[in-house]
Amino acid sequence: AQSVTQLGSHVSVSEGALVLLRCNYSSSVPPYLFWYVQYPNQGLQLLLKYTTGATLVKGINGFEAEFKKSETSFHLTKPSAHMSDAAEYFCAVRTRSNTGKLIFGQGTTLQVKP
Amino acid sequence: EPEVTQTPSHQVTQMGQEVILRCVPISNHLYFYWYRQILGQKVEFLVSFYNNEISEKSEIFDDQFSVERPDGSNFTLKIRSTKLEDSAMYFCASYLAESTDTQYFGPGTRLTVL
Repeated sequence: AQSVTQLGSHVSVSEGALVLLRCNYSSSVPPYLFWYVQYPNQGLQLLLKYTTGATLVKGINGFEAEFKKSETSFHLTKPSAHMSDAAEYFCAVRTRSNTGKLIFGQGTTLQVKP
Repeated sequence: EPEVTQTPSHQVTQMGQEVILRCVPISNHLYFYWYRQILGQKVEFLVSFYNNEISEKSEIFDDQFSVERPDGSNFTLKIRSTKLEDSAMYFCASYLAESTDTQYFGPGTRLTVL
């Protein structure tokens, strides 16, 4: 069975500092991996995804993530945090079954301090 | 850009009442999903729907739940007799086909059961 673990339910950084949100997955088959962001009182917005090919993927708002098969990780990074990055971030793995459902991690709340 | 829409944004109901949550997926998408997020918890898969039938459902999706695509545009989730523990944010998602690999989420319906 596939699963996703996000280390750290809350991460706090200063504005301008590096953002690192950790995600590890478990999958018996090559995974499709996603990061979604949820701003307060809003739905889920796709930040970036890895399916095949280049292991470093770039997303919106300056975020990127690197798929590391050997470490079963897909950590999300941004070189310089902005106040507007404060949100909840979810890592997800998509099953390769016909249903294509997403399995989400617990989420990480990012706080950005001025 | 096409988007998934959901109505209502907030539904308050009494325990034991029936509720119908509505979603309009992106028009040419073929796969439809419902997820829920209990406050403070992760997003959980409920059900997937393809070709006018349920393709997969989770343990949460018991006999109290049903889904329907009544008219080729709407996708509904019905909870027949709501319980307190059904209080959550319910997200609808859709995607075109495996090649696109991205599920697009609606803004969610917050269901409050009193």
